[in-house]
Amino acid sequence: AQTVTQSQPEMSVQEAETVTLSCTYDTSESNYYLFWYKQPPSRQMILVIRQEAYKQQNATENRFSVNFQKAAKSFSLKISDSQLGDTAMYFCAFMMDNYGQNFVFGPGTRLSVLP
Amino acid sequence: EPEVTQTPSHQVTQMGQEVILRCVPISNHLYFYWYRQILGQKVEFLVSFYNNEISEKSEIFDDQFSVERPDGSNFSLKIRSTKLEDSAMYFCASSEASFAGQGSKGYTFGSGTRLTVV
Repeated sequence: AQTVTQSQPEMSVQEAETVTLSCTYDTSESNYYLFWYKQPPSRQMILVIRQEAYKQQNATENRFSVNFQKAAKSFSLKISDSQLGDTAMYFCAFMMDNYGQNFVFGPGTRLSVLP
Repeated sequence: EPEVTQTPSHQVTQMGQEVILRCVPISNHLYFYWYRQILGQKVEFLVSFYNNEISEKSEIFDDQFSVERPDGSNFSLKIRSTKLEDSAMYFCASSEASFAGQGSKGYTFGSGTRLTVV
């Protein structure tokens, strides 16, 4: 079974600064997908960024980028130029590349962006 | 942008009562899911549904739970006899395709229903 670990329950960052959220996972699969989801106080699950395991190039979406280390099974999220609206829970998630496509989520990191 | 709509946003029910949580997936999506998030904990997969049958379910999805798509548009989760530990946020999601590579791009979550069992 796949597991996802986020070792930082809470983090804070000053507005405009850069912060990195950690995620590690465990799987015996070689083909899979990794995600970061944001959950603001409204509780909606919002996709931040997505990475295919077969791609060596790290995914980027505007201020959000990942550091994907497949051998180490590590998938960290870097948020540059942090904004107050980035305050949220961030969940790292794993999905196998097969017919069944349910997410396996990590426990989350609560990020607070401070003015 | 298309949305997954869940109703109600908050439901309070007495322990032992049946509850139905409703979801309207995105219209051209074929795969439907329910997830649960107990307060302060991670989001957990409950069940996936395709072609009018369950395709996968987790250990959480026991005999107290059922899903149905009665009219081709709504997708509901029924909890037959609610327990205090069923109190959680329930998320519906839908996707267009089955394979992670294709489907995950269009995988959309609803805003959730907060269920409180008293």
